[in-house]
Amino acid sequence: DVVMTQSPLSLSVTLGQPASISCRSSQSLAHSDGYTHLNWFQQRPGQSPRRLIYKVSNRDSGVPDRFSGSGSGTDFTLEISRVEAEDVGVYYCMQVTHWPRTFGPGTKVEIK
Amino acid sequence: QITLKESGPTLVKPTQTLTLTCAFSGFSFSTAGVAVGWIRQSPGKALEWLALIYWNDDKHYSPSLKSRLTVIKDTSTNQVVLTMTNMDPADTATYYCVHTGIAATGTPYYWGQGTLVTVSS
Repeated sequence: DVVMTQSPLSLSVTLGQPASISCRSSQSLAHSDGYTHLNWFQQRPGQSPRRLIYKVSNRDSGVPDRFSGSGSGTDFTLEISRVEAEDVGVYYCMQVTHWPRTFGPGTKVEIK
Repeated sequence: QITLKESGPTLVKPTQTLTLTCAFSGFSFSTAGVAVGWIRQSPGKALEWLALIYWNDDKHYSPSLKSRLTVIKDTSTNQVVLTMTNMDPADTATYYCVHTGIAATGTPYYWGQGTLVTVSS
């Protein structure tokens, strides 16, 4: 299985300040179709996860542009340019390049 | 509008078999590439991918749970059923049904609300 790791596992951020979450995979996530299938999800307290980013850097409809994804191969980053109160929750990276699909352990974001 | 909703028992005893149903609307397995999957989340823990079934009945399972999982689809009723045998307290979790789009490398985009299953005697 492809092991996904995230750092930090917990993040306390001042409102309006940036935040960055790293995700690393144990194997390259480059697919033979030419894409890299790394995705980011946000899970607010008490809610189902919501996809934010797909294929490394593509923002889903309705996702604020303060969220951005980057990376390649085995190293990826989710950045929030200015954290808002509604961004509190747990963020997961997930790969769908290899079987089985695997998630990272999650990064809990809270407001300082 | 795509929606999914999980249903099943909230409490099962150890060694029993769990059967969960995902009823969906807004799409159909008659569309090439469609897939529905199951993901679970133990209380306070991370997400864990369990299984996926494609429109053409191709199936994929988590290797660590493969011997215990079965996923089937009912095209006529727009439902997907997940069964997990030999339930253990460690299987206590919220189980989510997801729609992963129409690509082979589709990602969960639409999620059900989840159903909490507790395993206890």
